[in-house]
Amino acid sequence: SQQGEEDPQALSIQEGENATMNCSYKTSINNLQWYRQNSGRGLVHLILIRSNEREKHSGRLRVTLDTSKKSSSLLITASRAADTASYFCATRGSEKLVFGKGTKLTVNP
Amino acid sequence: GAVVSQHPSRVICKSGTSVKIECRSLDFQATTMFWYRQFPKKSLMLMATSNEGSKATYEQGVEKDKFLINHASLTLSTLTVTSAHPEDSSFYICSAGMTGPTYEQYFGPGTRLTVT
Repeated sequence: SQQGEEDPQALSIQEGENATMNCSYKTSINNLQWYRQNSGRGLVHLILIRSNEREKHSGRLRVTLDTSKKSSSLLITASRAADTASYFCATRGSEKLVFGKGTKLTVNP
Repeated sequence: GAVVSQHPSRVICKSGTSVKIECRSLDFQATTMFWYRQFPKKSLMLMATSNEGSKATYEQGVEKDKFLINHASLTLSTLTVTSAHPEDSSFYICSAGMTGPTYEQYFGPGTRLTVT
């Protein structure tokens, strides 16, 4: 069953702006992960945040997790045209990763 | 990070034929491999989970006789789409996981299957 639900479904911004994507889920999790997918390509793992963590940074990425609200956000700061891709959140309960529908981000130069 | 390869990257086959897709973990041993299917502009749908040396566990609604999965070694899993039909056309992605607390999965680049 679908677990993560990202919003917005599509986001278009200018280079240099920040991009925020949100993910909500329904059941308890061990961790939540964010992935990036360029059109027609495989997935690239961006960042993993555990259920006992509230915030994590990696370069221009900042991820927050609010387990009480069952939600997470991915912030990309100072976006670049090369950040154009689809971004998926995925939650892990026991063993399986369940993916959300994704947010298609377009960064205009 | 760990590297997972898939072969072929693209395949076109005729309706009724079978197609095998290979997934290899190149620099680590993967006790568990996962197969996903992705429709255009959609999310990844988990098809099955395979553990080395045992039968795959299929998700609800996935035909095990249609999508044969073999995980014969710690570095290789194969997905065979049997008697393919045009509705099987899709993007198939495998991922491989290592044991340990990070629970990370490493994804292959995907295989685009087109059934004519």
